[in-house]
Amino acid sequence: EVQLLESGGGLVQPGGSLRLSCTASGFAFSTYAMAWVRQAPVKGLEWVAGTSAGGGSSHYADSVKGRFIISRDNSKNTLYLELNRVTAEDTALYYCSRSFTGPRRFWGQGALVTVSS
Amino acid sequence: DIQMTQSPSTLSASVGDRVTITCRASQYISDSLAWYQQKPGRAPKLLISRASNLESGVPSRFSGSGSGTEFTLSISSLQPDDFASYYCQQFNSDPETFGQGTKLEI
Repeated sequence: EVQLLESGGGLVQPGGSLRLSCTASGFAFSTYAMAWVRQAPVKGLEWVAGTSAGGGSSHYADSVKGRFIISRDNSKNTLYLELNRVTAEDTALYYCSRSFTGPRRFWGQGALVTVSS
Repeated sequence: DIQMTQSPSTLSASVGDRVTITCRASQYISDSLAWYQQKPGRAPKLLISRASNLESGVPSRFSGSGSGTEFTLSISSLQPDDFASYYCQQFNSDPETFGQGTKLEI
């Protein structure tokens, strides 16, 4: 059974940083591209970033480019998202999901990030 | 980015009703469209891929149609478990984008 478990969410001040983790199990993690998708109350679902299976290629939404970094450690079956210089607009539930793009069959339960002073 | 517009935003219906949700793409996306159901506190669940392909385990009362820029999700006979929010997603062009959602309520 495919399982994705996010962690690392919490309250962060504007301009601050946070790192989310997603631990995968039930499939060959190192052979799949992965992505982060977020859901904010006002803006709905938004693809944030994706990375190739080996981690050598990454792409970002314009809204986070230059501030967020997606990475992975295939030896630990773990996907990361580093959030930097956050603003209130980054407040959202962050999901990790299998595949770079396409129909999303597998999602984690989400990690809540709240940006507030 | 391709903009996805869903209508209606809210839909009131009763058990047994047939309902239809529409999703329009701002550009041609062929059949690169998926539909999701989401309940409060849960991740989205994939219902339909490639515009009309029903995912394994999804009840046959759900169906999808369309191609190009206009798509529909239909539920033939609403069941109590179907009251949720529904989202469309295009994956023809990067970045993938989602509709703003339709809340199906009693």
